[in-house]
Amino acid sequence: GAVVSQHPSWVICKSGTSVKIECRSLDFQATTMFWYRQFPKQSLMLMATSNEGSKATYEQGVEKDKFLINHASLTLSTLTVTSAHPEDSSFYICSARGTSDYEQFFGPGTRLTVL
Amino acid sequence: GQNIDQPTEMTATEGAIVQINCTYQTSGFNGLFWYQQHAGEAPTFLSYNVLDGLEEKGRFSSFLSRSKGYSYLLLKELQMKDSASYLCAVKDSNYQLIWGAGTKLIIKP
Repeated sequence: GAVVSQHPSWVICKSGTSVKIECRSLDFQATTMFWYRQFPKQSLMLMATSNEGSKATYEQGVEKDKFLINHASLTLSTLTVTSAHPEDSSFYICSARGTSDYEQFFGPGTRLTVL
Repeated sequence: GQNIDQPTEMTATEGAIVQINCTYQTSGFNGLFWYQQHAGEAPTFLSYNVLDGLEEKGRFSSFLSRSKGYSYLLLKELQMKDSASYLCAVKDSNYQLIWGAGTKLIIKP
């Protein structure tokens, strides 16, 4: 099956710093990648959808200047949390969709803790 | 608005059968998904239904009725490792996934 990796798997940072999370599709070309955030005991919340080579589409309430998304190639998308604060601490999960329209493949997630 | 409802938590016994229901109201329908998510991990794909009926895959089966806006995930011969959250998600007319809040399934020996 299709494999999606995320790096790092966990990160601890100080308030005010920026953190970059990478999402890679390892064995397929991901035309679309999705970034989700999940707080404890809550469901996935879609943050943004990105298509290769174009600007990401952000969900309502998600600050695009704070959560910078770059999808520069068909196998890599990055999410940068700028000037992170403790309330940004969460589990960030990416998923990727290839040419098959129906299935998304999830990365293993990145746990961000902002002190 | 768009809405997906599933029970918050269910408890079942090892070796038994459990059915997790999901009802949905979305703008359009392009398929329904079930995902399993263990605590602290990303979701893993279980099943996909786009036509009415039952899809069976080993111990897991998923049923869909589009006219009723209803699906269920059936888990047979429950094992302790099946303890997880089960997420129902519907793809709407814009091909965007709308997620339910998930059902936490607790398996007791």
